[in-house]
Amino acid sequence: AQKVTQAQTEISVVEKEDVTLDCVYETRDTTYYLFWYKQPPSGELVFLIRRNSFDEQNEISGRYSWNFQKSTSSFNFTITASQVVDSAVYFCALSEGGGSEKLVFGKGTKLTVNP
Amino acid sequence: DAGITQSPRHKVTETGTPVTLRCHQTENHRYMYWYRQDPGHGLRLIHYSYGVKDTDKGEVSDGYSVSRSKTEDFLLTLESATSSQTSVYFCAIRESTLVGINEQFFGPGTRLTVL
Repeated sequence: AQKVTQAQTEISVVEKEDVTLDCVYETRDTTYYLFWYKQPPSGELVFLIRRNSFDEQNEISGRYSWNFQKSTSSFNFTITASQVVDSAVYFCALSEGGGSEKLVFGKGTKLTVNP
Repeated sequence: DAGITQSPRHKVTETGTPVTLRCHQTENHRYMYWYRQDPGHGLRLIHYSYGVKDTDKGEVSDGYSVSRSKTEDFLLTLESATSSQTSVYFCAIRESTLVGINEQFFGPGTRLTVL
């Protein structure tokens, strides 16, 4: 069975600090996909990144970076020089291949960036 | 913008009444999903559809039914609402391509309160 664990329920940082959000996943499939979504206080869910199990390259997008390590079943998300606008709940999600591509979400990490 | 709308956006109802939530998409995507979001649980899949009249259950389908008579509309029905179904409901679509898997895009959500 699939499972996603986000052990950090809440994180609070001061603006300009770097912060890493942890995500650990479990799956028996060799083909799977990992995602991060952002949910700002306004409530919408915003897609951030998708990674497939064959691509372990880290990715950087501006202040955001993602570290995918199959050896530890982790897909961690780092925000560099955090800003108040980064305050949100961040969800990690997993999907196995096979057609329906249902998403299994972690419980989310609430990030608060204080000025 | 994935062209997803949900209606109503907010609803208050009483225990035992039927409720139907509507998800409408404008881009002809094959796959549609209903999730519920509750504090401490993240998002959990209720039902999903992989085409007109083709639906299947998700993780938390008890007490819910769905219908998809047109590509653009995916309806979620609570036949007899209970207080445990108080939640925020999100609809999602997934673009499908011949290669790989694509991320899901979410609607704005419906906040349902069952008194």
